Amino acid sequence: QLQLQESGPGLVKPSETLSLTCTVSGGPITSSGHYWGWIRQPPGKGLEWIGSIYHSGGTYSNPSLKSRVVISVDTSKKEFSLKLSSATAADTAVYYCVRQDLQLQIDYWGQGTLVTVSS
Amino acid sequence: QSALTQPASVSGSPGQSITISCTGTSNDVGDYDYVSWFQQHPGKAPKLMIYDVTNRPPGVSSRFSGSKSGHTASLTISGLQSEDEADYYCSSYTSSTTLVFGGGTKLTVL
Repeated sequence: QLQLQESGPGLVKPSETLSLTCTVSGGPITSSGHYWGWIRQPPGKGLEWIGSIYHSGGTYSNPSLKSRVVISVDTSKKEFSLKLSSATAADTAVYYCVRQDLQLQIDYWGQGTLVTVSS
Repeated sequence: QSALTQPASVSGSPGQSITISCTGTSNDVGDYDYVSWFQQHPGKAPKLMIYDVTNRPPGVSSRFSGSKSGHTASLTISGLQSEDEADYYCSSYTSSTTLVFGGGTKLTVL
C-alpha cells in the first residue's frame, strides 16, 4: 500500500522560505504513469493545488504561486520537496503531498502537516 | 485560474439522496473528463471518492456516483448515512495543464 509522509518545520518566519519533504514508501517514485504533487489547505478553508513534478524533473505549478515555488525530486531517496519563498501569514496551511495520474487527478494523499508562518 | 463553483452547503435526511454540483468552464470541466470528487472529515486528509467523472476507486461505496453535463459535474450520494456528513471537493484538469478545485460543499445529515 502506497504511503506518503510529509516532514519539515511547523513554524516559519515571515519572509523566509517554507520547505517541506515528502517521503514515498510502498511503491516506486519512478512510475511512468504518475506525478507527485503538493496541495495546501488554510485553516477552515478549501484546497489549493500548488504544483506537481514528474520523476524526471518536469514540473507544473499554480500560476498564482509559480514565482515563489520550487518543486524538486530525489529518486534515490524516494523523496520530493517543496520550497515556497517569501512566506507570509497567508501561507499558513496544512500542506499535503499527493500522488497524481498524468491528468493530475489525485489518488493518494499524505496525512498532511500544519505549517504556521509567524514571527 | 478560477476555482470551480460548488454550493457552500447541502443537507438531507438519512436514506435520502443528495446531489452536489461543480461548475467550471470550457477550459476545464467542459472539455475534459478528468473530474474527481473528494470527501474530507474534520481533521483528516481528503479521500478520493470519484475519478474520471464517473469511476469509483476500490472500496468506495456504490452509493456514491458521478456524472457530467456540459460544464457541470455532479456527485450524487444515495441512501444517505450519518457517516457521509463531511466536506466534499471537486477537482478538474485544465487546458493549462493545471489542477483546479471547487470551493467545497459542507454536507449535513439531518
